[in-house]
Amino acid sequence: GDSVTQMEGPVTLSEEAFLTINCTYTATGYPSLFWYVQYPGEGLQLLLKATKADDKGSNKGFEATYRKETTSFHLEKGSVQVSDSAVYFCALYNQGGKLIFGQGTELSVKP
Amino acid sequence: DAGVIQSPRHEVTEMGQEVTLRCKPISGHDYLFWYRQTMMRGLELLIYFNNNVPIDDSGMPEDRFSAKMPNASFSTLKIQPSEPRDSAVYFCASSFTGTGVRDTQYFGPGTRLTVL
Repeated sequence: GDSVTQMEGPVTLSEEAFLTINCTYTATGYPSLFWYVQYPGEGLQLLLKATKADDKGSNKGFEATYRKETTSFHLEKGSVQVSDSAVYFCALYNQGGKLIFGQGTELSVKP
Repeated sequence: DAGVIQSPRHEVTEMGQEVTLRCKPISGHDYLFWYRQTMMRGLELLIYFNNNVPIDDSGMPEDRFSAKMPNASFSTLKIQPSEPRDSAVYFCASSFTGTGVRDTQYFGPGTRLTVL
């Protein structure tokens, strides 16, 4: 079945460091891909999305490119801030009309 | 835009009691989803509705769980009787097909349920 695999956390970085959170997927066809972010005590918020191969989603300094050849959608940010500390979820929208989530990666940014 | 509204935000109850969680989707959205989040199992889709009709309830763990959507602006998730293993954060989300794209879901803040 369809699935999403993320790198395990927690990921701990210093402020202004470069961030990469890896995400790979298995799915039928070419699903839309998403990154959601969950701040402590809150619900999930859409961070960015990409709907077809080679699309780049971007928001708030975060970027991810839909790579069909490697079935990946890695999240990157050039300079993280303390306020970026949260749990990040990679997800795909499958042909059955469901969002399939990865297990989440906790990011902790230290000043 | 008020976003997806859930109530209560926190619920503590004793085993065997009935629990009802409530959700108000974003106005105009025609899809509504209920998820459960635990450390062990991550985010699980329990059930979703389209135009108030349940479409897929294959994620509902057992008969103790039931969900209803009597109108476009309200849904409930009920657990009766509740058990300690039901302790989790329950999220409601909604989406719409107005632009032909219904893949973006908007989540509520969640209800943290603790069953003692």
